Amino acid sequence: RKEVEQDPGPFNVPEGATVAFNCTYSNSASQSFFWYRQDCRKEPKLLMSVYSSGNEDGRFTAQLNRASQYISLLIRDSKLSDSATYLCVVNSRGTDSWGKLQFGAGTQVVVTP
Amino acid sequence: EAGVAQSPRYKIIEKRQSVAFWCNPISGHATLYWYQQILGQGPKLLIQFQNNGVVDDSQLPKDRFSAERLKGVDSTLKIQPAKLEDSAVYLCASSPARAGAGELFFGEGSRLTVL
Repeated sequence: RKEVEQDPGPFNVPEGATVAFNCTYSNSASQSFFWYRQDCRKEPKLLMSVYSSGNEDGRFTAQLNRASQYISLLIRDSKLSDSATYLCVVNSRGTDSWGKLQFGAGTQVVVTP
Repeated sequence: EAGVAQSPRYKIIEKRQSVAFWCNPISGHATLYWYQQILGQGPKLLIQFQNNGVVDDSQLPKDRFSAERLKGVDSTLKIQPAKLEDSAVYLCASSPARAGAGELFFGEGSRLTVL
């Protein structure tokens, strides 16, 4: 089983609509969580961190469910510029204190006019 | 502020040849990472440095891959000999803090094609 799993999509979303997708992780000891965005043929960039209480950044809302070991990302009022691959990232802390950031394979979102 | 610099951007080699990639992290960032991203997959950590020490190289194929970070600043990743399955984008990233404590800043990547 992969440590971080995502639905690859693509999620085809009409402009202005809402889209949501999840990411599951296998290591119950994971301590920090992030969503990164990666545009086609570009490098990943941090979109937002995911806090235990859930957090919102403009049209983006991230949630963490530790009991079921998943995080989610919701995008409201989708824009054409939201078209990208969204990477789920989990810090799987090992026996040392450094931690290892594990990336999922990404969920592709395509926003259509 | 200058971002993470990587070179070369593109490299095409034949299998069994060698290749080296260079990375210069953001000034002051103590942690440096090399990731391999195969088309359609997420980035996979190859090696993580804290200053000039290795803190994680568990997924580095040490029979053909090597990396160093002399003086705790820039870093090189070498592949020798290359295999077809090494075709990927090699991403260098840096952060001012330990993994999981903050944001990773990625370079534009070095795209390797092995023929």
